[in-house]
Amino acid sequence: DAKTTQPPSMDCAEGRAANLPCNHSTISGNEYVYWYRQIHSQGPQYIIHGLKNNETNEMASLIITEDRKSSTLILPHATLRDTAVYYCIVILNYGGATNKLIFGTGTLLAVQP
Amino acid sequence: DTGVSQDPRHKITKRGQNVTFRCDPISEHNRLYWYRQTLGQGPEFLTYFQNEAQLEKSRLLSDRFSAERPKGSFSTLEIQRTEQGDSAMYLCASVGDANSPLHFGNGTRLTVT
Repeated sequence: DAKTTQPPSMDCAEGRAANLPCNHSTISGNEYVYWYRQIHSQGPQYIIHGLKNNETNEMASLIITEDRKSSTLILPHATLRDTAVYYCIVILNYGGATNKLIFGTGTLLAVQP
Repeated sequence: DTGVSQDPRHKITKRGQNVTFRCDPISEHNRLYWYRQTLGQGPEFLTYFQNEAQLEKSRLLSDRFSAERPKGSFSTLEIQRTEQGDSAMYLCASVGDANSPLHFGNGTRLTVT
């Protein structure tokens, strides 16, 4: 599975959009980009995933560049409850042999009031 | 759907003692995963079950660690002769449909004194 690179920390003002970048320059054609987040003292929570196209759900939007070497997770209106560590994970076909996720150290997003 | 349940939430033990953690996955989820997370790091994969079969074990899972899922439902993770380096959060996750995201519990925090 491809390796990802994320900034260690970011700040965002409450009510503004939070844009979290992720580099995955070695991604292969059939690897998906997944985003999870982990609020303090809780387990990781699934946010969104995508292959090539941009995706949106009730939590966030995922923008994947055309060459698929990077992506951005967008929280459109950040709230204090969005303060968490955000993990970008690249994984080969979720239906593969083990589906195990390989986590990096993620980005600590601090939403400021 | 009551989510993935882990018990206990916290465990303090003395070095050399044995501890056992329990994970109850989401009902009918046939895949179950154990992860370990130390402070400031992302979760690290330990082992994975499909139904009652343990299909993969990480090199992190030393011979003091054993995991079982006897009836393909709940799972236990036992650590024998605990060491201070075993202090961590132990996370369990489950998934049913191979193309669905993993659902994590809120973990068991182990402190070895």
